[in-house]
Amino acid sequence: KNEVEQSPQNLTAQEGEFITINCSYSVGISALHWLQQHPGGGIVSLFMLSSGKKKHGRLIATINIQEKHSSLHITASHPRDSAVYICAVPYSGGGADGLTFGKGTHLIIQP
Amino acid sequence: ETGVTQTPRHLVMGMTNKKSLKCEQHLGHNAMYWYKQSAKKPLELMFVYSLEERVENNSVPSRFSPECPNSSHLFLHLHTLQPEDSALYLCASSQVGHNYGYTFGSGTRLTVV
Repeated sequence: KNEVEQSPQNLTAQEGEFITINCSYSVGISALHWLQQHPGGGIVSLFMLSSGKKKHGRLIATINIQEKHSSLHITASHPRDSAVYICAVPYSGGGADGLTFGKGTHLIIQP
Repeated sequence: ETGVTQTPRHLVMGMTNKKSLKCEQHLGHNAMYWYKQSAKKPLELMFVYSLEERVENNSVPSRFSPECPNSSHLFLHLHTLQPEDSALYLCASSQVGHNYGYTFGSGTRLTVV
């Protein structure tokens, strides 16, 4: 089973700050997922990436396959970015075997 | 609305009850999943169905029984649950062989009393 470590677990920042959340995993993978969970529980998929870097609006995700490490960045953070951000990888490396998840990063952006 | 619909959104049941959670997707995906999220714990994989066959059962107690009658529908049948089974149960779907992107439902918040 793939093991996922995510840091920090909690992060409070001021509006406008640059945010970085880190994720590392133990088994080589086909793709890594960054997810966002708002209060109430619904989960939104932000990124799925297997190499390099992806950008969507103010969100940027990077992955280093050799180092088994990924980062999620938020530029010009805003209070509406407050949520739990979760890193997830395939349960055993790849295929339709479901995901295993990090513990999540609880992000609060203060006005 | 994500394309994956879960019902009910909230459920309170006694330990002797039998209930079912339902998940429906109309995204044309061929794999569906049940996940459990307990308080203060990461999401945990419970079951995986790929092409309507169960391919993963992550050591889940038999009081949880999944059913996948077709590629669009997934059920989780609950029987004689314990209070520690209270959690958020999330359904997800994906298209195997095509980027493996996941779509999650909004979850069912289950309370066992």
